[in-house]
Amino acid sequence: KNQVEQSPQSLIILEGKNCTLQCNYTVSPFSNLRWYKQDTGRGPVSLTIMTFSENTKSNGRYTATLDADTKQSSLHITASQLSDSASYICVVSARSNFGNEKLTFGTGTRLTIIP
Amino acid sequence: KAGVTQTPRYLIKTRGQQVTLSCSPISGHRSVSWYQQTPGQGLQFLFEYFSETQRNKGNFPGRFSGRQFSNSRSEMNVSTLELGDSALYLCASSLGESYNEQFFGPGTRLTVL
Repeated sequence: KNQVEQSPQSLIILEGKNCTLQCNYTVSPFSNLRWYKQDTGRGPVSLTIMTFSENTKSNGRYTATLDADTKQSSLHITASQLSDSASYICVVSARSNFGNEKLTFGTGTRLTIIP
Repeated sequence: KAGVTQTPRYLIKTRGQQVTLSCSPISGHRSVSWYQQTPGQGLQFLFEYFSETQRNKGNFPGRFSGRQFSNSRSEMNVSTLELGDSALYLCASSLGESYNEQFFGPGTRLTVL
């Protein structure tokens, strides 16, 4: 069964500090891995998309890494800002025999930045 | 370019009723996916439509159905509502090819009493 597990469930850090969120997956056959940011009451917004051959991708202060061998990904946030307070969701895509994609979602990490 | 829009934003229904939610994708996007989000289960995939055809389906009962029109707008219908159907229903659109970024709408908050 395809699964995506994220840790920690919640995290509180001081503004300006760095943090790393983890995502472990058992999804096969792997197609790509995505990180989303979801502000309270809003739809998720894509941060990064990584395929099998990519092991790091940045989007401003967000840097995602992917280790396809160990099936782990991390999202590193540098110099956190109050606006980074949100839920971060890891999504892994599996390609089916028919060529379409099936997405498996993690339950997210709730990040709170305090001044 | 306008983003993904969903209507209505909030909805209150009672058990046994049915509901229809609407999603207008970004102009030029041909794929529309629907998701249910609850605090306990996180985001769960309902179905995806591409060029008016259901291309992918999640593990939801037949009470949940959808369709897509020729202009790529999509509707989702839930019949015989249950209390457990209370959730945020999100729609996402993309160009429709692999690795395409999905853009989410703001969601419809459905409360079933």
